[in-house]
Amino acid sequence: AQSVTQLDSQVPVFEEAPVELRCNYSSSVSVYLFWYVQYPNQGLQLLLKYLSGSTLVKGINGFEAEFNKSQTSFHLRKPSVHISDTAEYFCAVSVPTGGGNKLTFGTGTQLKVEL
Amino acid sequence: DAGVTQSPTHLIKTRGQHVTLRCSPISGHKSVSWYQQVLGQGPQFIFQYYEKEERGRGNFPDRFSARQFPNYSSELNVNALLLGDSALYLCASSLSGSGSFSSYEQYFGPGTRLTVT
Repeated sequence: AQSVTQLDSQVPVFEEAPVELRCNYSSSVSVYLFWYVQYPNQGLQLLLKYLSGSTLVKGINGFEAEFNKSQTSFHLRKPSVHISDTAEYFCAVSVPTGGGNKLTFGTGTQLKVEL
Repeated sequence: DAGVTQSPTHLIKTRGQHVTLRCSPISGHKSVSWYQQVLGQGPQFIFQYYEKEERGRGNFPDRFSARQFPNYSSELNVNALLLGDSALYLCASSLSGSGSFSSYEQYFGPGTRLTVT
C-alpha cells in the first residue's frame, strides 16, 4: 500500500518570501503525484500533477513541484508568496493499476502568509 | 460550466440516524469518488463509482454505501450514525475510472459538512 508524509503541519512565511512545502511518499510501484489546495470551508482545488514526462511540474497560481524518484519526494515550491496563498495544502498519490483512481492524501500543511 | 455540486451543504443528525448525501459530477464526467475528511486530517477514500459500477472501496464499515445513477450523479448513504462520522464529505469527479491520464485528474466539490450529535 502507498502512503504520503507531509512532515510540516504548519509553515509560516512572510509575504513575497519563497516557500517550500515538503512531501514524501512510499510505494512499491510507480505512482502519480498531486498537490491540492483547500481554502477555509471549501473543497479541494488541483494545483498541479505529475503523471509522466518532465520531473519539474508547473501549476496554477505560480506554484511548481519537482518529482524526485530516488528520494521519493514531490516538494511544492513558490518563489514569492502572497497573502491569498494562505490555505491548507495536501499532497496525494494515486497508483495507476488496479482499475481505479483512488487518491491517498497526506495530513496536510497549513501555509500561513504574514505581512 | 458548473463544477461538482453537492447537497446539502450542512447537515446535523443524531446518533443512530441515517443520512444521504448527494453529488452531481461535472458534465461529461463518468466517474465519482467519495472521501471523508475529519477535522485536521487529509481526506480518506471511501468509494469510487464508474459507469454505475463500484471500482474501489476504502477501509470503511458496511454502514457506508453508495450508488451511481444513469446520469452519473451519486449518493452516499451512512446508516446508524456514530459521533465519529462527523466530518466533511467530499465528492470528486473524473472523466473516466482509470486507464488514461484524464481519469486521474479528480475535481472536488465543496463538500457536505455532517455533524452527528
